[in-house]
Amino acid sequence: GAVVSQHPSWVICKSGTSVKIECRSLDFQATTMFWYRQFPKQSLMLMATSNEGSKATYEQGVEKDKFLINHASLTLSTLTVTSAHPEDSSFYICSATSYRTGYTFGSGTRLTVV
Amino acid sequence: AQSVTQPDIHITVSEGASLELRCNYSYGATPYLFWYVQSPGQGLQLLLKYFSGDTLVQGIKGFEAEFKRSQSSFNLRKPSVHWSDAAEYFCAVGGGTGTASKLTFGTGTRLQVTL
Repeated sequence: GAVVSQHPSWVICKSGTSVKIECRSLDFQATTMFWYRQFPKQSLMLMATSNEGSKATYEQGVEKDKFLINHASLTLSTLTVTSAHPEDSSFYICSATSYRTGYTFGSGTRLTVV
Repeated sequence: AQSVTQPDIHITVSEGASLELRCNYSYGATPYLFWYVQSPGQGLQLLLKYFSGDTLVQGIKGFEAEFKRSQSSFNLRKPSVHWSDAAEYFCAVGGGTGTASKLTFGTGTRLQVTL
């Protein structure tokens, strides 16, 4: 089956630093990747949609300059949280899609900003 | 705009009992519907999906769901719940699969199973 690897699983960083989260489709090429944010005991909120080689499309209310998304290849997308603050602490999940595999989710990244 | 409503925030059932999780959706065209399960601190695992055809869909782990267009519903069922089914369940709606169509998730239903 389709596998999406998300790394790291958890990260703790100091306030003001930047953190990069990687999302890789291991056995298929993803036409589109989605990034979600999930607060404790809440649903997944779509942050942005990215296609390989083009700029990401951000949902309303999501700061483009804070959450930088790069989709450099058909198998890799990265989310960089810049100048992180405690309010950015959350669970971030990526999803990679293709016609063959449908939507496949990564295992998520728990970000804690101290 | 597409939306999903899961009316039940928390459900508790006894092991061996039947289960039904409710999901209502709003979508302007033919919906693509999904049920996912999430264990604490984990990503989402697809239980089943509906695109077209038979309105009763079979999934993994003994789950099934029925698409009812007239009621805009896609309820998830399981005849006999196991303790390992305790998790968070999300219903989602989208415009397609393998495309740029985004999924919209419901708020989730937390299932607790008592022994």
